[in-house]
Amino acid sequence: SQQGEEDPQALSIQEGENATMNCSYKTSINNLQWYRQNSGRGLVHLILIRSNEREKHSGRLRVTLDTSKKSSSLLITASRAADTASYFCATDSLDTGRRALTFGSGTRLQVQP
Amino acid sequence: NAGVTQTPKFQVLKTGQSMTLQCAQDMNHEYMSWYRQDPGMGLRLIHYSVGAGITDQGEVPNGYNVSRSTTEDFPLRLLSAAPSQTSVYFCASSRTGEINEQFFGPGTRLTVL
Repeated sequence: SQQGEEDPQALSIQEGENATMNCSYKTSINNLQWYRQNSGRGLVHLILIRSNEREKHSGRLRVTLDTSKKSSSLLITASRAADTASYFCATDSLDTGRRALTFGSGTRLQVQP
Repeated sequence: NAGVTQTPKFQVLKTGQSMTLQCAQDMNHEYMSWYRQDPGMGLRLIHYSVGAGITDQGEVPNGYNVSRSTTEDFPLRLLSAAPSQTSVYFCASSRTGEINEQFFGPGTRLTVL
């Protein structure tokens, strides 16, 4: 079963607009990560936020984490056509007994030029 | 550094055939893992390894075997291919300790007829 579930499943915006994607998860976590996947390619790590952190920034990316609600959001500001990709959250769960990430089903972002 | 490499990039098998997907990394990472990605879905963990000689099952291990005789290599074997194993397979690696940034290979697209 998928630990993380992204919302929305698909998002289409105009270049220059902000894109917000949400992730919900079910178990206690050590950290939560966001990855990006361009069509037909492997995943690329974007940002990691630990369970004791509430917000983190990296360039045009802003990630928040609310462990009480078991949710995270990824904000991409001033989007560009090159941001078109699928975005996945992944959790390092404390409850599964496995030392592994569990991925959500992803948000497909389309940025129109 | 080449990072994480996977071979082959594409493969077509007939039902019942066996094959090995190769994965290698040159970053001296202790942790390696195999995922499968089906259309419109996130990644599901097949097997993982926290170091040479140590492997463990993931979420969907049935029909797959792994071994880790060296730090660099983590091959995935399909014992008797089935159409349900048609998927894109990704190998990933990371440093030891906390499950942190995963480095992904480019993937192997497998079709089982």
